[in-house]
Amino acid sequence: VTQTPKFQVLKTGQSMTLQCAQDMNHEYMSWYRQDPGLGLRLIYFSYDVKMKEKGDIPEGYSVSREKKERFSLILESASTNQTSMYLCASKAGGINEQFFGPGTRLTVL
Amino acid sequence: RKEVEQDPGPFNVPEGATVAFNCTYSNSASQSFFWYRQDCRKEPKLLMSVYSSGNEDGRFTAQLNRASQYISLLIRDSKLSDSATYLCVVNRVVVGSQGNLIFGKGTKLSVKP
Repeated sequence: VTQTPKFQVLKTGQSMTLQCAQDMNHEYMSWYRQDPGLGLRLIYFSYDVKMKEKGDIPEGYSVSREKKERFSLILESASTNQTSMYLCASKAGGINEQFFGPGTRLTVL
Repeated sequence: RKEVEQDPGPFNVPEGATVAFNCTYSNSASQSFFWYRQDCRKEPKLLMSVYSSGNEDGRFTAQLNRASQYISLLIRDSKLSDSATYLCVVNRVVVGSQGNLIFGKGTKLSVKP
């Protein structure tokens, strides 16, 4: 699982798309954010192309899955409380190991 | 009760010690359980799945108690390289959906020489 960019600094109100790609032909892809003391929290997930479901904290985010191998996280208007480490993950359908990308560290000023 | 709850630690132990981590989950319908390991500034990686009968992988033993909704991880003969955060993971059962994986906040382990 690969993620781009690795680091990003935004100003409040700017928009940004975080990219995630996997080459394992996995059906399931998801986005988490990880913050100290709060752990990994699920933002959105997808089981199929053009399909998406909200996770626990979808507010302020949207996603896009146009191809099976790619799942993008979109911040339409960044806010300072979106400063975080964002992790993308993928797995095969059913109960299987979930593989994570290396993360995108986002800072919103 | 939180969906997945772990003791945050930190656990500071000497090399060679045995250490046990506990985790509780709230949804009795959950079917899949895992332990992930996360090194500092790295992504989480699967350590081992947890099966009903309990399972062992070298120095690591995982146990599941469905009646108590409790999962454990035992590490024997701790090594310096075991220092990491250990995440308890449970599948969330969602009606009408394939569900997803929910992560505990993690337990930090530090093994000292």
